[in-house]
Amino acid sequence: DTGVSQDPRHKITKRGQNVTFRCDPISEHNRLYWYRQTLGQGPEFLTYFQNEAQLEKSRLLSDRFSAERPKGSFSTLEIQRTEQGDSAMYLCASSPQGKRNYGYTFGSGTRLTVV
Amino acid sequence: AQSVTQPDIHITVSEGASLELRCNYSYGATPYLFWYVQSPGQGLQLLLKYFSGDTLVQGIKGFEAEFKRSQSSFNLRKPSVHWSDAAEYFCALGGATNKLIFGTGTLLAVQP
Repeated sequence: DTGVSQDPRHKITKRGQNVTFRCDPISEHNRLYWYRQTLGQGPEFLTYFQNEAQLEKSRLLSDRFSAERPKGSFSTLEIQRTEQGDSAMYLCASSPQGKRNYGYTFGSGTRLTVV
Repeated sequence: AQSVTQPDIHITVSEGASLELRCNYSYGATPYLFWYVQSPGQGLQLLLKYFSGDTLVQGIKGFEAEFKRSQSSFNLRKPSVHWSDAAEYFCALGGATNKLIFGTGTLLAVQP
């Protein structure tokens, strides 16, 4: 397995446009997480899935954000009507179920720039 | 409330010198604690983790960390820093939920 993959690595979009990011977790990991990281800050939790079920969403995740994980495999994060404040690194991570001490395996992230 | 504090925003050390990065946490029970490293434009790589047992944990790349419950700390150490260690380091706390809570990070610069 090659780890957690995220696509694209970089995305530049105009304000008001919609964007979608993809994450492919480690195949045997059934938990998948999305985090957002702005410059000079640590990652902040957005949402997580166990298999295909979205079990928790942060208050950071406004109505313009939606995440899916069909069939419990890859996940997508969509941002509608992007704003300049959405510019950030979006990180995906995965972990096995039932092992809170495992930590996460992170992908390389998608850097979003809204102009 | 759960929180992680990394008091040092930026640290500069000379190559070959020892390193200690500070991390303090707030959590009412036994925490799961992690240190991650992030190179510019990259994701995070797990250096080491603590969840029980021996309070001194060894990680990759020659790093170690010591859990001190009395001080609510989990400081990261390395006896001799290499230029390739220059990166940003994040301490993270895992508690009763499945989320990790990260500190704001410490940016390490290494002087030749």
